[in-house]
Amino acid sequence: AQSVTQLGSHVSVSEGALVLLRCNYSSSVPPYLFWYVQYPNQGLQLLLKYTTGATLVKGINGFEAEFKKSETSFHLTKPSAHMSDAAEYFCAVRKSGGSYIPTFGRGTSLIVHP
Amino acid sequence: GAGVSQSPRYKVTKRGQDVTLRCDPISSHATLYWYQQALGQGPEFLTYFNYEAQPDKSGLPSDRFSAERPEGSISTLTIQRTEQRDSAMYRCASSLSANTGELFFGEGSRLTVL
Repeated sequence: AQSVTQLGSHVSVSEGALVLLRCNYSSSVPPYLFWYVQYPNQGLQLLLKYTTGATLVKGINGFEAEFKKSETSFHLTKPSAHMSDAAEYFCAVRKSGGSYIPTFGRGTSLIVHP
Repeated sequence: GAGVSQSPRYKVTKRGQDVTLRCDPISSHATLYWYQQALGQGPEFLTYFNYEAQPDKSGLPSDRFSAERPEGSISTLTIQRTEQRDSAMYRCASSLSANTGELFFGEGSRLTVL
């Protein structure tokens, strides 16, 4: 079975500061990895995903994440936070073959201060 | 439709009543998922469909929960004899196929059981 751990239920940054949201996963086979964002009163939407190939993946709104197999991590970063980035962020993992069921972490709430 | 649509957005019911939640996925999408999300937690898998087939319903908490997708399009999630612990956000998501990985979520149905 796969699982996801997101360290920190809340992360607070100042506008313009680096954003780092942590995600560690466990999977018995090579994983597919995802970051989703949820704005208030909206559904989750995909930020970026890793399936195969380049381990540094870029997503929407200036976010990127790096798949590090040796660390079983897929941390989400953005060089400079914007007020509009305030939202809930979810990391998810799925097996690359077999089970087609994504497993989600409990989420990290990003707070951006002016 | 253009996006995933869920109804009702909010449902308040009394303990012991049955409720049915509806999900209308993106029209070209073969795969449909149901997740349950408690406050402060990530989405937890309930069940999924490939067209009308239901390959996995291992996440349904009890036999009071059932889901169907009879024509491979719209899906319903029914909870019989609701209990207070069933109070949660119920999220539906669809994807082009089970293998593509990216999920498109609806806005969710918030269920409150009094």
